[in-house]
Amino acid sequence: DAKTTQPNSMESNEEEPVHLPCNHSTISGTDYIHWYRQLPSQGPEYVIHGLTSNVNNRMASLAIAEDRKSSTLILHRATLRDAAVYYCILRDTDSWGKLQFGAGTQVVVTP
Amino acid sequence: DAGVIQSPRHEVTEMGQEVTLRCKPISGHNSLFWYRQTMMRGLELLIYFNNNVPIDDSGMPEDRFSAKMPNASFSTLKIQPSEPRDSAVYFCASSLTPQGRREKLFFGSGTQLSVL
Repeated sequence: DAKTTQPNSMESNEEEPVHLPCNHSTISGTDYIHWYRQLPSQGPEYVIHGLTSNVNNRMASLAIAEDRKSSTLILHRATLRDAAVYYCILRDTDSWGKLQFGAGTQVVVTP
Repeated sequence: DAGVIQSPRHEVTEMGQEVTLRCKPISGHNSLFWYRQTMMRGLELLIYFNNNVPIDDSGMPEDRFSAKMPNASFSTLKIQPSEPRDSAVYFCASSLTPQGRREKLFFGSGTQLSVL
């Protein structure tokens, strides 16, 4: 499986945007880019996913580089409830739906 | 929708005892995944099922671990005998997908296992 690289941690002030980078230089043409997050003492939850085009939903935006070797998850206005570990995961079409988690990025939001 | 339901929420047992963790996937979902999370190793995929059939159990750490899915609404993960290094949070997840791709996974709240 292609790997992703994320910073260990990032800090943000409340109500400011957060840009979480993810590098995936060995991504294949059939890999989708998925983001999940894990709040303290909870299971991971889906955030967003994309293939080539930028994507928006109520939780976040996903910006994908033109060469697809990197992507950025954007939280437009961080709240204290956004403090979590964010995982960037590549998911192949033949993966039977499985997700292989890396270490993720710990996001700290300060009031 | 009740989501993925795991039980028990917490389990404390002594080394050598048998432990059974249970999972009820979201109704209609046809894929089920068992993960284990520790501080040292993060989230590890143990085994996953599609239409009640185990697809890949290469993540199961040892023969002491076994998983079953007797029907579409129930799965178990059993550890026999348990050891202190099995202490972790075990998550179950389900999805509606014949072959992965873009479908999201829904995770349960996990079972915190402590083996003394």
